[in-house]
This record gives sequence, C-alpha cells and structure tokens, in this order.
Amino acid sequence: QVQLVESGGGVVHPGGSLRLSCAASGFIFSDYALHWVRQAPGKGLEWVAVISYNENIQHYVESVKGRVIISRDNSKNTFYLHMNSLRPEDTAVYYCARGPFLTGIDYWGQGTLVAVSS
Amino acid sequence: DIQMTQSPSSLSASVGDRVTITCRASQDIRNDLGWYQQKPGSAPKRLIYAASTLQSEAPSRFSGSGTGTEFTLTISSLQPEDFATYYCLQHSNPPWTFGQGTKIELK
Repeated sequence: QVQLVESGGGVVHPGGSLRLSCAASGFIFSDYALHWVRQAPGKGLEWVAVISYNENIQHYVESVKGRVIISRDNSKNTFYLHMNSLRPEDTAVYYCARGPFLTGIDYWGQGTLVAVSS
Repeated sequence: DIQMTQSPSSLSASVGDRVTITCRASQDIRNDLGWYQQKPGSAPKRLIYAASTLQSEAPSRFSGSGTGTEFTLTISSLQPEDFATYYCLQHSNPPWTFGQGTKIELK
C-alpha cells in the first residue's frame, strides 16, 4: 500500500533553516509528482510546493518563494523540503503528499510539526 | 492565483441529514477539483476526484458535482463518522489552492 512518512520537523529560531524529508513506499516513486502541504495550528490547509516526477518542474506558493526548495531523490524514494529564513508564520504541520498534475493529491503522510519560535 | 471560496464555513447537522457544501473558483478550472475529509489530529483523505468521481475507498453516500467554477459535495445521509472538516482543492493551475474548509458539527 502507498505509504508516505515525514521526518525532520522540530523547533527552530526565526531566520533558521530546516530540511523535511518524506520517505515513500508502495508505488513507483519516479512516476509521480509530489507535494508539500501545511496546516498552521487551528487553521486550514495550504498547498506549499510541488515537484514533477522528473524534477523538471517545481511550483511554490508565493509566501515561500525564494526561501524554500523542493527536491527529490528517485534513487532513495525520498523527497525533501529545504526551508530557509524561517518565520513564525511558517509554524505548521507539514504534510507530504503524492499527486499527479492531472488528477490531484491522492495520498498523504501523517505530517511533521515545524515550530518557529524564539 | 485561483481563489477557492468554500461555503458554509461551518454547519450543524444531525445523523441522517442531507448536507451540501459548495466551492466556487475565481476562474474556470474545468473539473480539476478534489474533495477531502479531515478529522482532528489526522491527515486529510480524498473522497472525490475529477469533481465527481468517488475515491475507491470512500462510502457511496458521498457525491460530487460541478464543472467550470461551481462545485458541490453532498453527503446523502450523514453518519456519526462524517463529523469532520471538509476541503476542496483545485489543481488546474499552480499554485494549487484549497477552500477555507467546512466544519460539520453535531446539532
């Protein structure tokens, strides 16, 4: 079955950096676009970034552009969210997800908490 | 960016009620829309894709309709396990965008 497992969350000071990882199994990793979605405490879902199956395409929500990079390693069935210049408003549970461009997000990980606080 | 306006933001209902949630897109998104259910402390689960296709594991009391800019999610007979928050997500153009969510509470 499809499994997505996030890691790398934690507490970081404003201006700091963090790298989230998502380990995937149960499907042909290199066939799928992959996403990060976040949810601030008590708030709704916010789509953050996507990377295409072959890494050629990445898109980001405006609020993270220039501070965040999505990447993947198809040899390790793992993808990443590299976050820099973190702000308190980046505090959220970050979910990794699988989602072809044509059909949308179908499977989600369980989430990892990122807390940006001094 | 495409804005998704979801309504209502919350509703109170009873077991057995028929419930309808609406998402309106700020521009034509064809049928590039999914509906998700989220329970507290858990990741979202997809119920509907391509606006009206039921996800294989989802109960048949859930249905979706619409195309273009207006979409609905209907629960034909609300069950106790359906009390949750529901979101729409458009994947027509990046950045993909969610509706604000609809929380269904017990009346």
